[in-house]
Amino acid sequence: DIQMTQSPSSLSASVGDRVTITCRASQGISDSLAWYQQKPGKAPKLLLYAASRLESGVPSRFSGSGSGTDYTLSISSLQPEDFAVYYCQQYYNNPLTFGGGTKVEI
Amino acid sequence: QLQLQESGPGLVKSSETLSLTCTVSSGSISSSNYYWGWVRQPPGKGLEWIGSVYYSGNTDYADYNPSLKSRVTVSVDTSKNQFSLRLTSVTAADTAVYYCARHGGEYLQQLTHWGQGTLVTVSS
Repeated sequence: DIQMTQSPSSLSASVGDRVTITCRASQGISDSLAWYQQKPGKAPKLLLYAASRLESGVPSRFSGSGSGTDYTLSISSLQPEDFAVYYCQQYYNNPLTFGGGTKVEI
Repeated sequence: QLQLQESGPGLVKSSETLSLTCTVSSGSISSSNYYWGWVRQPPGKGLEWIGSVYYSGNTDYADYNPSLKSRVTVSVDTSKNQFSLRLTSVTAADTAVYYCARHGGEYLQQLTHWGQGTLVTVSS
């Protein structure tokens, strides 16, 4: 299985801050990476796929980058509605695996 | 707008079989080239992919997480536009919110549409 390691596991930030979350795969995944946002009591919501492609309807303040084993999710200017848990997921190999999550708190 | 809705018992006894159904609205499982899958999330923990199914030519093709493969079946009922999950021999470790979801295409890839999730508790 490909292990996905996210860092940090949690962070505190303020509205307007730039936030970066890192996801490292245990082997190369050729940009087969998605990012999700999950709010309490809700299903995850897809933000980006193929490492850097923005899902339709997702604000452009979200962006993704990286290659090989190391990927990042950035939020350029944190908004109140962005406080949530973020997960990365690889789909390069079966089984699909998720990172442990990063909680973004005020 | 595609919608998915999970249904099934919220309480299952240990050693018995967990069965859930996902009803798809505003989209057809049989006439679309997508994988449909299940993901679970134990209370307060992260996400785990369970398995997914692709329907084509009157046949469904399923892929499973090897850690659960011996206990899991994911299948399609095109007459009801539903797909289902069966998980046998459950234990307390199977207590989780179970989500059904659609993948982004005809491969196991990103999950673009999700149901709201249903909590299943395994009791002793």
